[in-house]
Amino acid sequence: DAGVIQSPRHEVTEMGQEVTLRCKPISGHDYLFWYRQTMMRGLELLIYFNNNVPIDDSGMPEDRFSAKMPNASFSTLKIQPSEPRDSAVYFCASSPATTSGSTDTQYFGPGTRLTVL
Amino acid sequence: SQQGEEDPQALSIQEGENATMNCSYKTSINNLQWYRQNSGRGLVHLILIRSNEREKHSGRLRVTLDTSKKSSSLLITASRAADTASYFCATGGRSSGSRLTFGEGTQLTVNP
Repeated sequence: DAGVIQSPRHEVTEMGQEVTLRCKPISGHDYLFWYRQTMMRGLELLIYFNNNVPIDDSGMPEDRFSAKMPNASFSTLKIQPSEPRDSAVYFCASSPATTSGSTDTQYFGPGTRLTVL
Repeated sequence: SQQGEEDPQALSIQEGENATMNCSYKTSINNLQWYRQNSGRGLVHLILIRSNEREKHSGRLRVTLDTSKKSSSLLITASRAADTASYFCATGGRSSGSRLTFGEGTQLTVNP
């Protein structure tokens, strides 16, 4: 298994530009999570999906952020317009459902390091 | 605010010594997990302990959970230089659905 795949690994963009981060979860996993990690705020959950449906987006910072999961094998996180304070490492993680229907172990991708100038 | 808080924030030891990291949390949980993050990498799951368990082992890792004190500890025995990483605890709450809440992490440095 290739694990969770994220692209790009690094992104440098200028303030005001649109940024799209991509994630391919592990095949067969029902849950997909987007996190953001910064030195100041640590690891924050932005949004998560169950069977392609957004369940909790309370961590999305503002309307500039949006996430989609058009099918079980692909998700995007879009920032438009980007700002310097969005600079962070963005992780995608996926997880299989447990027998109770919830999730336990999460499998993280390598992350996308975003720098907004 | 973060559910889990790790202690210490940083720990430096010599190879072969044991390393102990602690995690405290605030609300009721279903399980508590520990993850490792090497510099510049994603998090890797180490071990999960459920709320009805008190201790769990995996190789050189030993995790304890005290739900009455809302705390957990991760012990790494006979540490190696390759154990150098950040270690995070994460809690799955009874009322938080499928989300995990991560602590701020402990930076462990194992000196050869």
